[in-house]
Amino acid sequence: AQTVTQSQPEMSVQEAETVTLSCTYDTSENNYYLFWYKQPPSRQMILVIRQEAYKQQNATENRFSVNFQKAAKSFSLKISDSQLGDTAMYFCAFMKPRTSNAGNNRKLIWGLGTSLAVNP
Amino acid sequence: DAGVTQSPTHLIKTRGQQVTLRCSPKSGHDTVSWYQQALGQGPQFIFQYYEEEERQRGNFPDRFSGHQFPNYSSELNVNALLLGDSALYLCASSFIIPRLSSYNEQFFGPGTRLTVL
Repeated sequence: AQTVTQSQPEMSVQEAETVTLSCTYDTSENNYYLFWYKQPPSRQMILVIRQEAYKQQNATENRFSVNFQKAAKSFSLKISDSQLGDTAMYFCAFMKPRTSNAGNNRKLIWGLGTSLAVNP
Repeated sequence: DAGVTQSPTHLIKTRGQQVTLRCSPKSGHDTVSWYQQALGQGPQFIFQYYEEEERQRGNFPDRFSGHQFPNYSSELNVNALLLGDSALYLCASSFIIPRLSSYNEQFFGPGTRLTVL
């Protein structure tokens, strides 16, 4: 069974600085997807960034980038130029690819989350 | 374009009661997944509906059941509520794509906060 581990329950960073959130996972699959989601106090889960395991290039989305180490099963999120609006819970999640037409996307498997506070 | 909507926002029930939560998917989406997020935890997958059938199910008892309607909206029903059912219930929608190896983003609703007393 797949598992996702986030070892940092809480982190804080000063506005405009850079912070890195850690995530490790365990799977025997060779192809899969990894995600970082943000959940602000409004509770709405928002996709931050996605990585396909077969792609060696690390994904980037504006100020957000990942360091994907497939052999080490590590998937960290770097937030550059942190903004007050980045304050939220951040969840790392794993998904196996769909293998049949009997359903749509496979289920997401989630870590426990990291609470990030951006301080002015 | 409205995103995923869920109702009600908050709900308080007592042990043993039954509850129904509702989800309307994003326009153009045909698949709905439900997750339970206990306080301080990551979400846990409950089940997924596509073409009005349950397609995948997580490790949840039969007290948790669901339904999908022809307009793709969905309901989550929980019978014989326990204190441990208190959680945020998230609905996520996506649309089917033909290529098996592909992925399509799941969009989440704001959730329903269920409190069982």
